[in-house]
Amino acid sequence: GAGVSQSPRYKVAKRGQDVALRCDPISGHVSLFWYQQALGQGPEFLTYFQNEAQLDKSGLPSDRFFAERPEGSVSTLKIQRTQQEDSAVYLCASSSRTGANEQFFGPGTRLTVL
Amino acid sequence: GESVGLHLPTLSVQEGDNSIINCAYSNSASDYFIWYKQESGKGPQFIIDIRSNMDKRQGQRVTVLLNKTVKHLSLQIAATQPGDSAVYFCAEPRNQAGTALIFGKGTTLSVSS
Repeated sequence: GAGVSQSPRYKVAKRGQDVALRCDPISGHVSLFWYQQALGQGPEFLTYFQNEAQLDKSGLPSDRFFAERPEGSVSTLKIQRTQQEDSAVYLCASSSRTGANEQFFGPGTRLTVL
Repeated sequence: GESVGLHLPTLSVQEGDNSIINCAYSNSASDYFIWYKQESGKGPQFIIDIRSNMDKRQGQRVTVLLNKTVKHLSLQIAATQPGDSAVYFCAEPRNQAGTALIFGKGTTLSVSS
C-alpha cells in the first residue's frame, strides 16, 4: 500500500514569504506528527495530531508556525513570514495507534529560504 | 534537552563485517526505543524496536540490545552490505504520553566493498 507522502518535495522561498507543506498519511492512521530536521541533525518534534485534534504543539518554534488536520487525514504545516533559520527538511510521520509505537515517515519537504 | 545520543558520529566497515552502533540515553523512565535508518534524501525508515521489559530483540540481520543498568542501547547489523550505508538514529518517546519521539544525532555508517 501507499506510504506517507509529502508535497512539495522541494520548496524555495524568499525571506518573508508564506509557505504551506502538505502531508498525506497512511490511510486510517490515527496519529500524525511533524518534525523538523536540520542538516546533519536528527529530526526534532514540532507537533502531534490524534485524528483532527492537535494534542501537542509544544515543539513549534514560533507563532509563525501553524499546523492543521481538519478532517483527521491530510495535514498542512504552514510557515508565515519565512526566515533563513526555517531552512530544513520537514518530515511528516503517521502511526496507526496512539502512544509509543512505530511511526512511518514520509520523504520530507526540503525548504530553502533565501 | 535531548536525552538520546550516539557515541560515534561515523562508522566505517567492510562489506561482510558485523556493525555495532551504540546509543546512550539519560531518561531511566523511558520504556520504548526505536532504531531508524535514513538514507540520503529519504525519510527515516523503521528498523526495529524494543520495550524496556526486554533486553534483546532480533530481526532480519539486526539485533537490538538494551542495557537498562547503564542506559545503553545498541544496534548490531550482521554481514553488513553496501545497502546498509545510511545514517542510523536511536529514538525514544518524548514524554510519558509517548506522543512523539526524541532522536539522537545519528551515526553515519559507511560500508565499503
